[in-house]
Amino acid sequence: GEDVEQSLFLSVREGDSSVINCTYTDSSSTYLYWYKQEPGAGLQLLTYIFSNMDMKQDQRLTVLLNKKDKHLSLRIADTQTGDSAIYFCALRRVSGGYNKLIFGAGTRLAVHP
Amino acid sequence: DTGVSQDPRHKITKRGQNVTFRCDPISEHNRLYWYRQTLGQGPEFLTYFQNEAQLEKSRLLSDRFSAERPKGSFSTLEIQRTEQGDSAMYLCASGSEGIDEAFFGQGTRLTVV
Repeated sequence: GEDVEQSLFLSVREGDSSVINCTYTDSSSTYLYWYKQEPGAGLQLLTYIFSNMDMKQDQRLTVLLNKKDKHLSLRIADTQTGDSAIYFCALRRVSGGYNKLIFGAGTRLAVHP
Repeated sequence: DTGVSQDPRHKITKRGQNVTFRCDPISEHNRLYWYRQTLGQGPEFLTYFQNEAQLEKSRLLSDRFSAERPKGSFSTLEIQRTEQGDSAMYLCASGSEGIDEAFFGQGTRLTVV
């Protein structure tokens, strides 16, 4: 969606780090998420960060949030072939007392030997 | 409970036919969401239920679409007089107050020929 933008494609060598970037316009979002989607499958939540945090690390995943620039990134250390998938950035937008997710178009990560 | 379940996984239908999809959320989740994902795009919000009440419908949900959650548990999404533009992956997610994330099902892929 136009509220959330991601680059469409990223290619990395196996063992290298991958950095997937996301920019957004809505500064009121309280939670920002990264989802993974493998071919023909649903969405798997990888990690999320609360808007009052700058960084969150979870094993091979590191999320960085720059609220001033409205920029979110996901770093995958030691990228493996099994990491090949589409990665979606999503914001939680609160509306009418509940919340819904606004997704970017996704970044396709290709990992090659 | 193994997660959000959607049925069928795949549906091929002729233009003009009606189709119905089912979503079984995680037990005791009172929030249920439907999203639509077209090729190359991120999921887009369609509608939201809290218990049996449908609290919001997106502009994407035309008059041909209807969703129900009669007993506050499973939900159905019906598309009448299908069009080729309805071809997409229909994703269901569930959540609950106090839970920061939404859990997605595997989706129903609809192809209208």
